[in-house]
Amino acid sequence: DAGVIQSPRHEVTEMGQEVTLRCKPISGHDYLFWYRQTMMRGLELLIYFNNNVPIDDSGMPEDRFSAKMPNASFSTLKIQPSEPRDSAVYFCASSFRQAIPSGNTIYFGEGSWLTVV
Amino acid sequence: KQEVTQIPAALSVPEGENLVLNCSFTDSAIYNLQWFRQDPGKGLTSLLLIQSSQREQTSGRLNASLDKSSGRSTLYIAASQPGDSATYLCAVRPSVNYGGSQGNLIFGKGTKLSVKP
Repeated sequence: DAGVIQSPRHEVTEMGQEVTLRCKPISGHDYLFWYRQTMMRGLELLIYFNNNVPIDDSGMPEDRFSAKMPNASFSTLKIQPSEPRDSAVYFCASSFRQAIPSGNTIYFGEGSWLTVV
Repeated sequence: KQEVTQIPAALSVPEGENLVLNCSFTDSAIYNLQWFRQDPGKGLTSLLLIQSSQREQTSGRLNASLDKSSGRSTLYIAASQPGDSATYLCAVRPSVNYGGSQGNLIFGKGTKLSVKP
């Protein structure tokens, strides 16, 4: 498998513009996660899905952020309107049977590096 | 609330040296603890996972220990090599509900390791 695939890898956009980040999880994985990484706050969970259904979005910072998973092989994270403080690396990750306490391995994509100017 | 701390934030060692990376967490109610590696511009790769009932796990030159009662874990790297240069993150999987993200990983900010030839 090619792993978790994210696009775009890098994006520079102007404040106020809409940003859409995309993710293709590993085939067969039933959990998908969106994380944000910054120097100040480290890695934070934004939202996660199980079988395409959003389970917990308590980490989504504001209503400007939204995420969807229309099918098992695709998810989007949208920021509208974007602000400079949204500049960060956004990671998508997937795993199989995450809920089992034994903790199956979670696989990360290479991230989408977002800069809002 | 669970908090994960990694000290130091950065570490530089000469090649061949054995080294220890530290991770501490505030709440011992965890299912497991994982160590990840992150290369510049890349996502995270899982290195070792220690269940709460275990004391250590080994993989090649890596050995991770867990002392749940004291809230500490260490990652020991033997005979370090320049290829080990990366950021190492630890993450715990809480076994209690922190406002909706039950069971999801909580990350430290990482230790950036540089191994000099």
